[in-house]
Order: sequence, then C-alpha cells, then structure tokens
Amino acid sequence: EPEVTQTPSHQVTQMGQEVILRCVPISNHLYFYWYRQILGQKVEFLVSFYNNEISEKSEIFDDQFSVERPDGSNFTLKIRSTKLEDSAMYFCATTLGILSEKLFFGSGTQLSVL
Amino acid sequence: AQTVTQSQPEMSVQEAETVTLSCTYDTSESNYYLFWYKQPPSRQMILVIRQEAYKQQNATENRFSVNFQKAAKSFSLKISDSQLGDTAMYFCAFRNRDDKIIFGKGTRLHILP
Repeated sequence: EPEVTQTPSHQVTQMGQEVILRCVPISNHLYFYWYRQILGQKVEFLVSFYNNEISEKSEIFDDQFSVERPDGSNFTLKIRSTKLEDSAMYFCATTLGILSEKLFFGSGTQLSVL
Repeated sequence: AQTVTQSQPEMSVQEAETVTLSCTYDTSESNYYLFWYKQPPSRQMILVIRQEAYKQQNATENRFSVNFQKAAKSFSLKISDSQLGDTAMYFCAFRNRDDKIIFGKGTRLHILP
C-alpha cells in the first residue's frame, strides 16, 4: 500500500526557534492535511491544503504556522517561533480528493520544545 | 458544528472476548463518512474500518465490524476474538464535504492475557 512519509521522526528544539516539518504525500493525492496530537489528548485538525492554497484552518493554526508545497512534492509545516505548548506529535495526511474515503496518515513527527 | 463523542475513555477485556467501543456524532449532513482509527503505542494512525453514511449495510473487516445507526447517529466498533495486539487507542472520526476529519477523544483499549 502507498505510504505518506514524514521527516524527521523526532525533532527537539528550543523555545522561540523555527521548525519545519516535512511530508512527502502519495504521488497522485491532491488534498493535504496537518493534524497534531498533544500527548494523551485527541487528534486535532490544524489545516487543509488543496491546489497550493489553504482550504481550511483551525483556530490553533495562527500566524505562527504556515504551510507550503514549494517543489510540488514535499508538503511542509513551519512553526515560526515555537512555544512549549507546541510540543506534540504532528501528523501529515493526504487523500485523493474530497469524495475519496480514505485519509492516509504519515507516521508522525514528535516535536519537543524545550 | 460537527462533533464526535466517545463516552468510554478506557476499557479492558480479556483476550478472545468481544468488546464494543461506542461513538456518537452530531451533524446535519446526510452524506458523510465514518471511520475508526487505531493508534498503537508507536502512535501511528491506522485505519481500521470505514462506513459510508448512504450505505445501510454495516461495514465488516475481518474481526472488526461496526453497528451503524444513522437515525441515532451512532457508530460503534465491535472487535471479536480480541487479541493482545489490539491493545491501542481507538479514535472514532467523521468526515463530510467540509474537507476535514473530526476525531473523538479516543478510547484506550487494553486486552488482558
């Protein structure tokens, strides 16, 4: 089965530093998402991305966050100035399209902000 | 706003028993998808089973089956002949044409030897 690849698997950073989380989606997929999960809590929607634009974002996704797909393959999530509360597992997910049922998740990036 | 509620934060059953995880949701949409995802200790998200709202027949995937009650907005997961490897966090999720999936808070399932 095709896979969504996320790098790095673990990222440790100092508070205030910028981090970029990377995702390589499945090649023919058109819709991309970022979710996060703070340890022990539920999976929260951050942002959806289609046709090189954000299609929807949650209240978590403030000005410190941005997404882009600069080279047509990697899909990145940037956190400009990390805060302690940004520590979480970040999941990338992709799907063929809005009518497609299955969301494929990457294995996640564990971000630890110190 | 759509919501997904999992009322059982934690459950434990003996190996080989059958267990049912409950999930209710709220929506005004008529066409949507429902999912159960498993999250083992590795924290990867693994799709267990999915159900289209317009299909009356309950989805089945090997030992996993659902009881989908559309009028009651209920979507429970039944795991038959439970195995130690089923120990994980289980998330119920809902998706409609709003282009995102909404997850419940999860049920932590322990399968005891």
